[in-house]
Parts: sequence; C-alpha cells; structure tokens
Amino acid sequence: KAGVTQTPRYLIKTRGQQVTLSCSPISGHRSVSWYQQTPGQGLQFLFEYFSETQRNKGNFPGRFSGRQFSNSRSEMNVSTLELGDSALYLCASSLVINEKLFFGSGTQLSVL
Amino acid sequence: AQSVAQPEDQVNVAEGNPLTVKCTYSVSGNPYLFWYVQYPNRGLQFLLKYITGDNLVKGSYGFEAEFNKSQTSFHLKKPSALVSDSALYFCAVRDRDTDKLIFGTGTRLQVFP
Repeated sequence: KAGVTQTPRYLIKTRGQQVTLSCSPISGHRSVSWYQQTPGQGLQFLFEYFSETQRNKGNFPGRFSGRQFSNSRSEMNVSTLELGDSALYLCASSLVINEKLFFGSGTQLSVL
Repeated sequence: AQSVAQPEDQVNVAEGNPLTVKCTYSVSGNPYLFWYVQYPNRGLQFLLKYITGDNLVKGSYGFEAEFNKSQTSFHLKKPSALVSDSALYFCAVRDRDTDKLIFGTGTRLQVFP
C-alpha cells in the first residue's frame, strides 16, 4: 500500500512568487491535513480537510490556501511568498478525523 | 488558548537507561493525546495515542506514555533506551471542542552508546 506522496520534494522560489504543493493521501483515506515545520516553531497546523470540506484552519495569513479534490488529493497554495515562508511543508492523511496520522516526506520550500 | 509544551529541547540518555520525554498541555475538556517520532531524513511516524481508559498507553517500538489528568501531562517513557531511538519526538493534542490538532515544538532525544 503506497504511503502519502508529496510533490515536489524540493522547491526554490523568490519573494513575491506563488507556489502550489501537492499531496496524495493513502488510498481510502478521506482526511488530509497540512503542517508547516520550522526548526524554531515545530509543527504549525495549516488546514484540515475531510471529503472536500475544510474542517479546520490554523492561524496563518490568507496567502495560505488549500483545497481537497473528490479523489481526496489535496493541494496547498501560497501566494506572494515571503522569506519567512521557507519551511518543510508536511501533509498527513488518516481514515477519519481523530485517527492516527500518516505523514508524507514533505516539500522543502526555500524562498530567496 | 490551547497549547502544548515540551519543556526540554533535548534529552540525553545512555543506552540501556530508562528515558522520559515530557509533555504538558492546556486545552479544554478531555483531549485526544498523541506522540509522533521523526527519524533523520524520514517523515513523522505515529507512536501511540490516548483517547480514554487506562492511563498507561503502550505504543510502537517499546514506548509507552502515562496520562495524568490532574497534572495535564502525557509523558513518553521507555524502560531501556536504544541508540536507534535517537530522533525528534513530538507530542500532539486534539481539543475535542475545536477539533484542532496542536503539536509541541519537539524534543530531540539523543541516546549514547
């Protein structure tokens, strides 16, 4: 059974650009959540989706947005990139809410 | 406000000794509690969870965690540490009212041979 797949693995962007990250959950998993990991802040919750509906949102500016498709795949978009957006972005999936999360390897975003 | 605290940035322990990684939380009601581990160059992996019931929860790789409601703590423990346990450990709490999952800042465990 394939795990959670995140693409791309690495991204380098410049300030002001926008970026889209992709996440394919484990087959059958309907819940997808996104996290930002930085050395000083740990894991910060971004969004949580279940069956195409956003159930929860973290305390990030409106430049961060996401969506989930009918096949449970999810995308996250960051517009007008800032230097502080440099981080590892992790996607996780689970069968249902409140079950254990299965994480992808992440997308390492560097903003120059 | 909901919060999760892992008071130690790093814990050092000799192989074969018991280890404890601390976690305290501040959420309303009875939360769901989790521990995850991140090995170098690998994604986060689930270790164990507490939903309800017995305060001592057993998980993967010989780890266990003790839920203490009065102290709002959920410390991770292992009776005998292995060098291969060296990794970054995250405590997470889901508030049953808001349904948000909050992670701690992580504790780096270093086990020395």
